[in-house]
Amino acid sequence: DAGITQSPRHKVTETGTPVTLRCHQTENHRYMYWYRQDPGHGLRLIHYSYGVKDTDKGEVSDGYSVSRSKTEDFLLTLESATSSQTSVYFCAISESNGQTTYGYTFGSGTRLTVV
Amino acid sequence: GESVGLHLPTLSVQEGDNSIINCAYSNSASDYFIWYKQESGKGPQFIIDIRSNMDKRQGQRVTVLLNKTVKHLSLQIAATQPGDSAVYFCAEEGGGFKTIFGAGTRLFVKA
Repeated sequence: DAGITQSPRHKVTETGTPVTLRCHQTENHRYMYWYRQDPGHGLRLIHYSYGVKDTDKGEVSDGYSVSRSKTEDFLLTLESATSSQTSVYFCAISESNGQTTYGYTFGSGTRLTVV
Repeated sequence: GESVGLHLPTLSVQEGDNSIINCAYSNSASDYFIWYKQESGKGPQFIIDIRSNMDKRQGQRVTVLLNKTVKHLSLQIAATQPGDSAVYFCAEEGGGFKTIFGAGTRLFVKA
């Protein structure tokens, strides 16, 4: 996906270990998001950022933290991974008119398996 | 590729036919709607959007229809091609970064 990259693409980790996923954009968009996607569910928002060092929680934020020290990078950390956090994680970017977005551009995803 | 939904509604169409994918949205205050396409192993891709002050919008081979009375959104794909095979889902926005994504419909295109 042009302008937005996620790393790693795949990761297997053990329960209780910390994990950090990285999202990098070259579009200079103000807004960045982390979503998770699970079978039977739509995309669910974990955390989002509306500027450098400005972040807020989404609907499924428990067990996750984020950081945004630069416009282009948004990190998602699982402090102590659990099996319920096995999922596909998508980063997204957007611009906004202050009320709604103009749609999202998504990364290619990170498949995380917690064993 | 990643499994985006093991038990999604499925639509199977013949190549060259038109496809219609439906979505019921939940919030009557939502004022912006988007259709996304997700191919296996990839992230969702923006297809077309529509704001609540419109009831129809056309793109290249795609049309989105919005019926606010019954909170229904549809995506029409003309002359469906094998490359259209994917999961399609709608998203609604009502402001405040509260985007709600549907679970999706899997489209199979038979050659």
